[in-house]
Amino acid sequence: GAGVSQSPSNKVTEKGKDVELRCDPISGHTALYWYRQSLGQGLEFLIYFQGNSAPDKSGLPSDRFSAERTGGSVSTLTIQRTQQEDSAVYLCASSLFGAGETQYFGPGTRLLVL
Amino acid sequence: ELKVEQNPLFLSMQEGKNYTIYCNYSTTSDRLYWYRQDPGKSLESLFVLLSNGAVKQEGRLMASLDTKARLSTLHITAAVHDLSATYFCAVLNAGGTSYGKLTFGQGTILTVHP
Repeated sequence: GAGVSQSPSNKVTEKGKDVELRCDPISGHTALYWYRQSLGQGLEFLIYFQGNSAPDKSGLPSDRFSAERTGGSVSTLTIQRTQQEDSAVYLCASSLFGAGETQYFGPGTRLLVL
Repeated sequence: ELKVEQNPLFLSMQEGKNYTIYCNYSTTSDRLYWYRQDPGKSLESLFVLLSNGAVKQEGRLMASLDTKARLSTLHITAAVHDLSATYFCAVLNAGGTSYGKLTFGQGTILTVHP
C-alpha cells in the first residue's frame, strides 16, 4: 500500500477485556515499530521488529502487552486485561531496512478503556 | 538512558515572524529526526539529520544538528498559518539493546496567528 495502515482507527473497551491492534507496514519495509502516545507520557517506544531477528521488547510496559509479526509483514499488538491507564493512541511505524532509516508512521489506533 | 528535551513546549507566533525550536539530547547518537503532527493526525517526517553540522531546509523550515553540543534546532522563517502544528524531535538510540528505537522530545505546539 501507499502508507502504513492501522486498524481499528478507534477502539473503546471495558477494563479487563483484551484488545488486538493491527498494523500493515509499507510494502517491502523490513522493520516495524510500535509506539504509544498519551497526554501524560508523550511518545513512548514499545517494541521493534527487524526482519527475522528477535524483537526488541524493551519498551513494553508490562507483561499484559505482547506483539507479533507474521510473515515479516503484518503485526498485531495485544493488550490483555486492559486497564484505564492503557488508554492512548497506539502508533505503528515502518522503515525500509531498520535502525537509522526514517520511520514512517501510520494513523494510529485510539484506544479508550472505560 | 537517552533523554530528549525540547523548548519551548508552546509557541505562539505572529505570521511573518521568525523563531527557533530547540532540541537537546543527553547521549551520543547517530541521527536526529524532526516530525510534524497535525491535530488528530499521525506523524509526518520532515527531516533526518545524519552528521555534525548537517543542515536541511524545506520551505520555511530549516533544521540543523550540532552533535558536539547534542543540540538540534528547527528554525521557522516568516511563519504562515499552515505551519501551525506540533513539532517533535526524535533521537535514534545509538547502541546497546535498544538500538533502532527513537526517543522523542515532548513536542512543541506551534500556533501561528495573524
